[in-house]
Amino acid sequence: DQQVKQNSPSLSVQEGRISILNCDYTNSMFDYFLWYKKYPAEGPTFLISISSIKDKNEDGRFTVFLNKSAKHLSLHIVPSQPGDSAVYFCAACDNFNKFYFGSGTKLNVKP
Amino acid sequence: DGGITQSPKYLFRKEGQNVTLSCEQNLNHDAMYWYRQDPGQGLRLIYYSQIVNDFQKGDIAEGYSVSREKKESFPLTVTSAQKNPTAFYLCASSKLAEPDTQYFGPGTRLTVL
Repeated sequence: DQQVKQNSPSLSVQEGRISILNCDYTNSMFDYFLWYKKYPAEGPTFLISISSIKDKNEDGRFTVFLNKSAKHLSLHIVPSQPGDSAVYFCAACDNFNKFYFGSGTKLNVKP
Repeated sequence: DGGITQSPKYLFRKEGQNVTLSCEQNLNHDAMYWYRQDPGQGLRLIYYSQIVNDFQKGDIAEGYSVSREKKESFPLTVTSAQKNPTAFYLCASSKLAEPDTQYFGPGTRLTVL
């Protein structure tokens, strides 16, 4: 059973607007959450992360929000740029250094 | 330059043959991972290792084998027992207890003919 889920396979946003990517998880023992960006036929690259003791982490145009009670996290990109178009993966890490990935959301930012 | 190398980029094999995918890192990371990605799906963990000469099965280990004889190297063998081996394979490494440091290689696309 998948422990990290991204229920939106795709998202289309106009350039300059906000992109919101969502992720849900089931295991309350996860203590770290990460977002990765991936282009076709390449490895994912780390984007931003958040510890389970925080509810928000910001890095430039990227902000990750964590709602532990709802077991939900989201990635906000504002303003969105065409270069942000990629597949975004949500991941969770347990205290055994094991990572669990969602199925990804393909973001298309239209010029 | 530090990083992870995977070779080859594209690999073809005949059904029934074993094949080994290479993964080397010079980041001095203790942990190494193998993931598989299928179209429309996320990354699924095959095997991971946190220390030399030790490794653990991930969620889809059946039909695969690994070894970790050196810190820098974590080769993956796709055996003939793997029923659907055609996929994109990604190797990664990280420092222990530092999830932000997980760094991925460029991947190997394996096609079984």
